[in-house]
Amino acid sequence: DAGVIQSPRHEVTEMGQEVTLRCKPISGHDYLFWYRQTMMRGLELLIYFNNNVPIDDSGMPEDRFSAKMPNASFSTLKIQPSEPRDSAVYFCASSLLDRMETQYFGPGTRLLVL
Amino acid sequence: EDKVVQSPLSLVVHEGDTVTLNCSYEVTNFRSLLWYKQEKKAPTFLFMLTSSGIEKKSGRLSSILDKKELFSILNITATQTGDSAIYLCAVRGGGTSYGKLTFGQGTILTVHP
Repeated sequence: DAGVIQSPRHEVTEMGQEVTLRCKPISGHDYLFWYRQTMMRGLELLIYFNNNVPIDDSGMPEDRFSAKMPNASFSTLKIQPSEPRDSAVYFCASSLLDRMETQYFGPGTRLLVL
Repeated sequence: EDKVVQSPLSLVVHEGDTVTLNCSYEVTNFRSLLWYKQEKKAPTFLFMLTSSGIEKKSGRLSSILDKKELFSILNITATQTGDSAIYLCAVRGGGTSYGKLTFGQGTILTVHP
């Protein structure tokens, strides 16, 4: 059974460019979460969805960040324009409705903005 | 705002040692506390604790929650080099964002042979 799938696994871009991160949750899961991890701030929740609907986006750092979930099997996190301080590992996770604490994480996308 | 503080931030031990990792929290309408292990890549789930005083155990790892004092500990006995990882503590609160987990900064555990 495939776990959470993220792409790309690594992304190097220049400041000002648009970056799109992709996530495919585990089939049948009701919740999808986007996290960012840095040495300075640890693991932070950016936004999460329940049945494709955004529930809490209070962790999205600023308007340059946006996330969508057009269907149950796909979500994107977009940064436009990107800045060097956005460099981090971005994780997507999913969980079932009745076991939402048990979140299954994807392998992450390591983003470097030059 | 929910808050989770872990200590120590890093720990270096030798194989066979026993370690205790600490997690204290402040959360509105506490629902659960979780421990995750993060090796090279993504965090993987270890334990979920919801009730005080009930120990959760998995092999050499065990954890307990104190809801009165607002903390949890994770014990690892007879450590092995494979236990080297970042251990993350997270809490889930209630209210409108009941799905949200707030993570601590993690404890980096290094086990030397």
